[in-house]
Amino acid sequence: AQSVTQPDIHITVSEGASLELRCNYSYGATPYLFWYVQSPGQGLQLLLKYFSGDTLVQGIKGFEAEFKRSQSSFNLRKPSVHWSDAAEYFCAVGADNQGGKLIFGQGTELSVKP
Amino acid sequence: EAQVTQNPRYLITVTGKKLTVTCSQNMNHEYMSWYRQDPGLGLRQIYYSMNVEVTDKGDVPEGYKVSRKEKRNFPLILESPSPNQTSLYFCASSFRTGQGYTFGSGTRLTVV
Repeated sequence: AQSVTQPDIHITVSEGASLELRCNYSYGATPYLFWYVQSPGQGLQLLLKYFSGDTLVQGIKGFEAEFKRSQSSFNLRKPSVHWSDAAEYFCAVGADNQGGKLIFGQGTELSVKP
Repeated sequence: EAQVTQNPRYLITVTGKKLTVTCSQNMNHEYMSWYRQDPGLGLRQIYYSMNVEVTDKGDVPEGYKVSRKEKRNFPLILESPSPNQTSLYFCASSFRTGQGYTFGSGTRLTVV
């Protein structure tokens, strides 16, 4: 069955520290992978996406993610976290042969300590 | 401004009273979708549409209906709402599968 797992429900990092949010997927087809961010009371904003080519993708707000097919992972990273990065982060996976189907993980809530 | 617009933003209703949440996009996107968001469960896809008159079930379609009579509109219909449909609902649209969805601002529905 298709699935997306975000192992960490909640992560706390200090401002200025590096960040890595984990995402693992199980998908039969070649996946399209996405990271979204949701600030409190807001909708979802697309941070970055991967569907082919270079496995290290750059996104908005200084985020990047690396697709590792052998590990079925698509982890999100940021070298230096800002207090405004506190939000919930969702990993999602789809595929070209799946039409509009897009499956989300359960989310990781990020808190930032001053 | 390119956007997905859903209405209403907040809705409180009673069990069994039919309701419709509207969704419209102005980006000429082919794909549209509805999700519900519940604490600890992330976002779960209810229905999606690949084009006019083409829809398919997502992971949690029970109790919901959709229609896609025009490219820009994709309403979500609850024929007989129940308290377990209390949730935050998001409409989304996309030009193609690999682009990712653009989300609306959400509709918070409470069924009492």
